Amino acid sequence: DTGVSQNPRHKITKRGQNVTFRCDPISEHNRLYWYRQTLGQGPEFLTYFQNEAQLEKSRLLSDRFSAERPKGSFSTLEIQRTEQGDSAMYLCASSSSGQGVTIYFGEGSWLTVV
Amino acid sequence: AQSVTQLDSHVSVSEGTPVLLRCNYSSSYSPSLFWYVQHPNKGLQLLLKYTSAATLVKGINGFEAEFKKSETSFHLTKPSAHMSDAAEYFCVLGGGSNYKLTFGKGTLLTVNP
Repeated sequence: DTGVSQNPRHKITKRGQNVTFRCDPISEHNRLYWYRQTLGQGPEFLTYFQNEAQLEKSRLLSDRFSAERPKGSFSTLEIQRTEQGDSAMYLCASSSSGQGVTIYFGEGSWLTVV
Repeated sequence: AQSVTQLDSHVSVSEGTPVLLRCNYSSSYSPSLFWYVQHPNKGLQLLLKYTSAATLVKGINGFEAEFKKSETSFHLTKPSAHMSDAAEYFCVLGGGSNYKLTFGKGTLLTVNP
């Protein structure tokens, strides 16, 4: 399967713990995106990378959220000191660059903070 | 400012009848528009996209959408619904440099036997 791969698919954590999600994009894609989706809502943009450069991160929800893409391939999204409001599905997507390109999404990582 | 409005949060049809999911957008520049489908506990799958070529766009599984600039609309249609079409559908607006997508709130499609 050469689609966008995310893991873990599900994570249950206690409030205050740190969690990290990994995303492996489609191999030839230089852009990688993170979105968050809460129940009953459409996904909302968090951040994106072009190669290893994080070009937009203003939508990361707080300084507890951080993302990396150290070698321009896979990416990680870390949430420190989790809160119950962080419970959501975190979606990763990838694409080539350019206007009107298709953005391909992974199946998401569900986070439940208890 | 960019925004997408999906006019119906829930649409229910009978199998074999037409499907219409409505979407209006607001954009300060020439938009790219997409429809994505999400089945329960799954990621998002692209149905079709408009990128300033033909205004009638055909997608997968018999879906199509028509871009109407004068009405700022991009409604999704299918002539005959199938049970497997039951899912959440998102109308999505691409950013000027296409790095940020703006999603509508989604329309849940129910298909009754």
